[in-house]
Amino acid sequence: SYVLTQPPSVSVAPGQTARITCGGNNIGSKSVHWYQQKPGQAPVLVVYDDSDRPSGIPERFSGSNSGNTATLTISRVEAGDEADYYCQVWDSSSDPVVFGGGTKLTVL
Amino acid sequence: EVQLVESGGGLVQPGRSLRLSCAASGFTFDDYAMHWVRQAPGKGLEWVSGISWNSGSIGYADSVKGRFTISRDNAKNSLYLQMNSLRAEDTALYYCAKSREIAVAGTVFDYWGQGTLVTVSS
Repeated sequence: SYVLTQPPSVSVAPGQTARITCGGNNIGSKSVHWYQQKPGQAPVLVVYDDSDRPSGIPERFSGSNSGNTATLTISRVEAGDEADYYCQVWDSSSDPVVFGGGTKLTVL
Repeated sequence: EVQLVESGGGLVQPGRSLRLSCAASGFTFDDYAMHWVRQAPGKGLEWVSGISWNSGSIGYADSVKGRFTISRDNAKNSLYLQMNSLRAEDTALYYCAKSREIAVAGTVFDYWGQGTLVTVSS
């Protein structure tokens, strides 16, 4: 089955830019979606179809996808952005909905 | 406002059954596929099962295939998950999630419930 690889943790100072990667074989050919999950809360969709934002998500959240890596970029990071972030794709395999292992974003 | 409210979780012994429900409101339920996603304590997200708008297409993760059954009642705006032969590794918070799509394929989850906790233990 398809595997998505994320770094376990990313740290960034407030006001800086955080980049969270999601690696997968030829992931650039798939649509990648990103979810934010704060402690004790349900996940929230922050980017879909590689780079689109749902209504209500700040423009500081953006995404890109090419080759074997998709990236979620959070500009001007705020303390409230501290959360776990998961990437997700659809793959036409036995387990078609695939999540990455998640990345814990720490705001220093 | 979209609302998804799960219920039916609890403590159950290995080998027993449990039925989860998800009550949906705030959108046209039968216009979208629906899914169950679970999260074991301290772990990541794992897709469990999905069902298309008209129940014509259904999918399961390999880990639950043959033991879990997903269904929906569009007249009641409700989603269900029948879980049989439960195992300790099924212990998790089970989320009901709405798809942006009408079909199971190509799913993006745009709304999630708060989850219902299932604990499988003797």
